[in-house]
Amino acid sequence: AQKVTQAQTEISVVEKEDVTLDCVYETRDTTYYLFWYKQPPSGELVFLIRRNSFDEQNEISGRYSWNFQKSTSSFNFTITASQVVDSAVYFCALNPGGSRLTFGEGTQLTVNP
Amino acid sequence: NAGVTQTPKFRILKIGQSMTLQCTQDMNHNYMYWYRQDPGMGLKLIYYSVGAGITDKGEVPNGYNVSRSTTEDFPLRLELAAPSQTSVYFCASSYPGLLYGYTFGSGTRLTVV
Repeated sequence: AQKVTQAQTEISVVEKEDVTLDCVYETRDTTYYLFWYKQPPSGELVFLIRRNSFDEQNEISGRYSWNFQKSTSSFNFTITASQVVDSAVYFCALNPGGSRLTFGEGTQLTVNP
Repeated sequence: NAGVTQTPKFRILKIGQSMTLQCTQDMNHNYMYWYRQDPGMGLKLIYYSVGAGITDKGEVPNGYNVSRSTTEDFPLRLELAAPSQTSVYFCASSYPGLLYGYTFGSGTRLTVV
């Protein structure tokens, strides 16, 4: 069975702080893909990143970075120097092959000015 | 670029009524999906389709039906609405392999009273 766990239900930080959102996944497949999505207060879902199981290199995109560790089945997401516009619900998702995504429960991030 | 279009955006149904949530995409994606998002929760897959004429159940299909007569359209039918179906419904589409993840519609907020 596939499962994604985002243990942090809510995180609150002050602007300019760094924040890490945790994601732990379970799958028996050796080939799989991991995703992060952002859901701002307006409600739409925005694709942030896709990572395959064979590529454990960390990825950085501006203030966003992702740390994939196969040994601990984790795919954590860090926002550096957070801003109020980063306030959103963030979802981690797993695709073990085929076309379906399994989503975690989401982490509500609030960045206060 | 329209992407994935869902209608209506909001709807209130009475218990026992039926309705169809419309979803259309203009990206020529083969794969389409319906998810529901309950308050404070992640997304659960209701039904998905890998091409015209092909549909399959997801995690929570009970109380719903779908059809896929064209590549563009993937309507979701609710029969005999129940309060447990109060949720936000998202339609999504993708290419095989999910290279860019899903493209989501803006959602339909449904309340059953």
